This record gives sequence, C-alpha cells and structure tokens, in this order.
Amino acid sequence: NAGVMQNPRHLVRRRGQEARLRCSPMKGHSHVYWYRQLPEEGLKFMVYLQKENIIDESGMPKERFSAEFPKEGPSILRIQQVVRGDSAAYFCASSPSRGHDSGANVLTFGAGSRLTVL
Amino acid sequence: DQQVKQNSPSLSVQEGRISILNCDYTNSMFDYFLWYKKYPAEGPTFLISISSIKDKNEDGRFTVFLNKSAKHLSLHIVPSQPGDSAVYFCGPGGTSYGKLTFGQGTILTVHP
Repeated sequence: NAGVMQNPRHLVRRRGQEARLRCSPMKGHSHVYWYRQLPEEGLKFMVYLQKENIIDESGMPKERFSAEFPKEGPSILRIQQVVRGDSAAYFCASSPSRGHDSGANVLTFGAGSRLTVL
Repeated sequence: DQQVKQNSPSLSVQEGRISILNCDYTNSMFDYFLWYKKYPAEGPTFLISISSIKDKNEDGRFTVFLNKSAKHLSLHIVPSQPGDSAVYFCGPGGTSYGKLTFGQGTILTVHP
C-alpha cells in the first residue's frame, strides 16, 4: 500500500516561472493538506482540500498560490511567478474522513517537494 | 486560532537518559494533541497523541502528559536512543478535521 506520493522531489525554477507540485494521497484517504517549511522554520499549514472542494485555505498566500484536488488525479499546488522567497520544502499529507475508532485523525505525510528558486 | 509554541529549539541528551520535549498552547478548544517526528529530507511521521479528556498517554518508550490548567503538554522519551534524533512537532487535532497547526519544532539529538 503506497503512502502519500509527491512529485517532483526536487524542482528548480527561475524567478517568474511557474511551479507545479503534485500529490497523490494514500489509498482510501479523501482529505489532502499542504504544508510549507521555509528554511529554519517549522511546518506551516497552507490549505486543506477534499475532492473538488477547498475546505480551508487560511494559510495560502493571497496571490500567486493556488491548489486543487480534482475528481480524478492528484492534488496540485501551483505557484505562479515564483520568487526566491518561495524556496522551501512543500509537504502534502492525507487523512481519512475520520480518525480510526473515533480517535485522532492522523495525517500521513509525503516525503516532500523541495522547490529552489534561482 | 490555535497558537502552539515549542520554546526549546533544540535538546541534547545522552543515550539511555530521558528526553523531555515541551509544548504550550493558547486555545483550549481541541479534541487531541498530536506529536510528529521528522527526519531530514523526509516527511513527518505520527508518533503519539493524547485526548483532551486525559492527562497521560503511554506507548512504549513514549509518554505524553497533558496539563490543561497550565495549557502545557510534554513528551517523555525513556530511554532515549540515537535513532530518536529528529525534529519533533506538536499540534492540536480533531476526530474528523485533520488540519494541524504545528509548533516550531524541537531538534532532539541523542548522543551515543
């Protein structure tokens, strides 16, 4: 049973280009979350999605960033016109609709996509 | 909004001794608190959780304590092993809503 798959693992972009990061959740998981880890900082929540719906995007920058989780295919985090400050590790996580035995809803994280903006 | 603080950016302990990692929060509205562990170049992995109605949860070498009056929780690892060296994040979570707001993380180094 494959875990959360993220690709690419490493992405290099020049300022002004677009970056697209993909995330396939664990089998059976219907919720997807994106987190960002800037250098020397902790994990910051960006967005929470279910199929075809954005549930919570309170952590997304207001401009240039967008996310989707279509009916078919992986979730995509899109960054337009990248700047050097976007260089970070972007982690995707997935979870089932409810925690096991009504316990905590545990997130399963992917290995991350490291974006470097030159 | 939930604010979570891990005031110790790093901790260094000797193998076999106890590691104590701390976490403070401001908002008491949560169902669970969760701890995740992260190795370099990997995604975080779930370690242990505690329900808001409990004050202790133990799983092998890992025990989490919750002090609701002080809005403080701690993770105890005993005995500590070199393989425990990682970054530890804490954060509140729910039963159905999986969004986590993490603290800044504590880098634990366990020396052989």
